[in-house]
Amino acid sequence: AQSVTQLDSQVPVFEEAPVELRCNYSSSVSVYLFWYVQYPNQGLQLLLKYLSGSTLVKGINGFEAEFNKSQTSFHLRKPSVHISDTAEYFCAVTFNTGGFKTIFGAGTRLFVKA
Amino acid sequence: NAGVTQTPKFQVLKTGQSMTLQCAQDMNHNSMYWYRQDPGMGLRLIYYSASEGTTDKGEVPNGYNVSRLNKREFSLRLESAAPSQTSVYFCASSEGSGSRGYEQYFGPGTRLTVT
Repeated sequence: AQSVTQLDSQVPVFEEAPVELRCNYSSSVSVYLFWYVQYPNQGLQLLLKYLSGSTLVKGINGFEAEFNKSQTSFHLRKPSVHISDTAEYFCAVTFNTGGFKTIFGAGTRLFVKA
Repeated sequence: NAGVTQTPKFQVLKTGQSMTLQCAQDMNHNSMYWYRQDPGMGLRLIYYSASEGTTDKGEVPNGYNVSRLNKREFSLRLESAAPSQTSVYFCASSEGSGSRGYEQYFGPGTRLTVT
């Protein structure tokens, strides 16, 4: 069965420190991978996506993520966070099953402290 | 472009009341979705419409109905609201919905409380 797991529900970090938000999935078919960000009281917006090609993808606001097929992971990283990065981050996976199947992870709340 | 719009932004209902959440997109997208967001559970798909004229159940369809009114509009109806339907509801759209990497575009959400 397909599933998506975000390993940390909350990640507190100091400003200008690096951060990694972890996402793992379970699948027997090929996948497309996404990270979305949700700022307080807003809808989700796309940070970055992996469809094919280079396994390291860069997104908006200095974020990047690396697709690791053998470990079925798609972790999100930023080398130096800002207060304004405080938000909830969702990993989403589209499974290539022939129909519509996209599953969102439970979310990771990133809290950047001064 | 307004993107995806939702009305209302907030709503309080009493148990048993009915209401319709409205969603519209101006990006000429084929596919539209309704999700609910609950703490610690991420987004769960209620219903989706792969294209105009079609609708399909998602993960949590019980207690809801949908209408794809035209290509732009996709409404969600609660016929008899229950406290378990207290949640934040998001509408989203995408160019397509098949097994390809289609990005979804989200509306700002509707916060619904059922007392």
